[in-house]
Amino acid sequence: QSVLTQPASVSGSPGQSITISCTGTSSDVGSYNFVSWYQQHPGKAPKLMIYEVTKRPSGVSNRFSGSRSGNTASLTISGLQAEDEADYYCCSYAGSSTVLFGGGTKLTVL
Amino acid sequence: QVQLVQSGAEVKKPGASVKVSCKTSEYTFTDYYMHWVRQAPGQGLEWMGWINPNSGGTKFAQNFQGWVTMTRDTSISTAYMELSRLRSDDTAMYYCARGGFSSPYDAFDIWGQGTMVTVSS
Repeated sequence: QSVLTQPASVSGSPGQSITISCTGTSSDVGSYNFVSWYQQHPGKAPKLMIYEVTKRPSGVSNRFSGSRSGNTASLTISGLQAEDEADYYCCSYAGSSTVLFGGGTKLTVL
Repeated sequence: QVQLVQSGAEVKKPGASVKVSCKTSEYTFTDYYMHWVRQAPGQGLEWMGWINPNSGGTKFAQNFQGWVTMTRDTSISTAYMELSRLRSDDTAMYYCARGGFSSPYDAFDIWGQGTMVTVSS
């Protein structure tokens, strides 16, 4: 099964907002609320940032938000900060006991 | 706090097997599914499968069926992932990640620190 499609890279200046898209199909992103986003700094384990499409775990800044339109989920980071520079991965249940990750997006804070 | 602590780095020869452990603490081990995810150097995340620590039941990604085994020891709250017939492209960081309470497909809220497995002749 194919990975979910994410842009390879996005960039923004401090204080700006950026959005990372995650495009799947009606069999995965478009069908289930099990869509999550992870932040990974170099050499570190991934960290959960958004779960069930729009929910934020305790301790995650409210500058991070998730949404979905059709078969595309999105992660928006507002008020960009230098510490947000990292790789971001989306993840979705895809039915038939399968989980898919996106290819990852490298966020650069200019 | 809730923690997943994995075993140390491994170097294996092609054709060998590797077994990685994931010791949990500060939560009821049998209440949450445990997943394994790998990441080749410079690459993205790849889901491998899950184990239900309560029943021992497992589900694997199609790519890993037949050559990955996931087990657990509830007496020491530890999950294990064993990969057999290793090839050079199995060189990767292997992570355990805690899944859902009621569904195996809830998000992965806690991750281990990773175990680097290097396959080289």
